[in-house]
Amino acid sequence: KAGVTQTPRYLIKTRGQQVTLSCSPISGHRSVSWYQQTPGQGLQFLFEYFSETQRNKGNFPGRFSGRQFSNSRSEMNVSTLELGDSALYLCASNEPTDTQYFGPGTRLTVL
Amino acid sequence: AQSVSQHNHHVILSEAASLELGCNYSYGGTVNLFWYVQYPGQHLQLLLKYFSGDPLVKGIKGFEAEFIKSKFSFNLRKPSVQWSDTAEYFCAVKRGGTASKLTFGTGTRLQVTL
Repeated sequence: KAGVTQTPRYLIKTRGQQVTLSCSPISGHRSVSWYQQTPGQGLQFLFEYFSETQRNKGNFPGRFSGRQFSNSRSEMNVSTLELGDSALYLCASNEPTDTQYFGPGTRLTVL
Repeated sequence: AQSVSQHNHHVILSEAASLELGCNYSYGGTVNLFWYVQYPGQHLQLLLKYFSGDPLVKGIKGFEAEFIKSKFSFNLRKPSVQWSDTAEYFCAVKRGGTASKLTFGTGTRLQVTL
């Protein structure tokens, strides 16, 4: 059974640009969660999607958005990038029991 | 707001020493509890989880954790650590009945010396 895949693995952007990150969950999982990991703030929940609907959202500004497609693949978008958005963005594939399996992450650097 | 506390930020142990990492949470209702491990350069991996039943749960690689409801704690233990256990360990809590949102502790960096 394939694990969670995230693309790209590394990304360098400049302030003001926007970025789109992609996540493919484990086959059969319909729920995907996104987290931001930074040295200062640790792991923080961004949002969760289930069957193409956002079911929960964390305390992040509106510049952070996401969506989910009918095949359960998910994307998150960050617009008007700021230096503080530099982080490891993790996607989790969620079992119906709510056990979450994490992907390798996308490391975003904003210059 | 729900919070998760990991009091040990950095732990250094010699091989074969016993390990106990503390985790406390603030939410009083039904919770699901998890421990994840992040080895250097690798992604977060699930070590073990507690949903209900026997409060002593066993995970992979010889780890176990005990849920003590009265203390709002879910401490991780291993009788004898190995050098390969060097990693960062995260405790996470999910409130029962909510969507899939995990609240993580700040993590404990474990360094095992030979």
